[in-house]
Amino acid sequence: KQEVTQIPAALSVPEGENLVLNCSFTDSAIYNLQWFRQDPGKGLTSLLLIQSSQREQTSGRLNASLDKSSGRSTLYIAASQPGDSATYLCAPRQGPSASKIIFGSGTRLSIRP
Amino acid sequence: DVKVTQSSRYLVKRTGEKVFLECVQDMDHENMFWYRQDPGLGLRLIYFSYDVKMKEKGDIPEGYSVSREKKERFSLILESASTNQTSMYLCASSPTADVAGELFFGEGSRLTVL
Repeated sequence: KQEVTQIPAALSVPEGENLVLNCSFTDSAIYNLQWFRQDPGKGLTSLLLIQSSQREQTSGRLNASLDKSSGRSTLYIAASQPGDSATYLCAPRQGPSASKIIFGSGTRLSIRP
Repeated sequence: DVKVTQSSRYLVKRTGEKVFLECVQDMDHENMFWYRQDPGLGLRLIYFSYDVKMKEKGDIPEGYSVSREKKERFSLILESASTNQTSMYLCASSPTADVAGELFFGEGSRLTVL
């Protein structure tokens, strides 16, 4: 059974720093992996989707990488801002059905002004 | 942009009441999902639907049912609400069951059962 781990569980950094959030998964046979952010009391917002054939995906200040063989993905946030404060979740998909998406427990990120 | 709309952001119900949570998506997606999210337990899949009138149980379907009469609308029903169903409920949709499909979420419905 796929297990998804996100370390650290919480992170606080000053504004302007570049930072890396980690996601590891035990079953490397994934179809894709999606990164989300969640603001308190809100739903999940899709940030990036990496297909299994891709190594990385970029959107603005965000860059996500995927290393299937080692069961790892990282989300890189450049020049962090207070508005980046949120919980970030990774979600690898195990099969063609979207019902096979497994969510990590998330990293709670706080950017200090 | 894809929009997934959950009709109620906050609900307070009493034990034993029947509760309807409604979700509508505007991107003609085939797949729709209901999750619940609880501290320490993460997101858990309750039910999903891959077509009109089609549904499949997720990981925790007990105490819930669903309805999908139209492609854009997916309803979660609590036949007799209980206090252990107090939670954040999240609806999601995605395109047809191909490996590239991105998952999109609504804003969530916070349900409190007294």
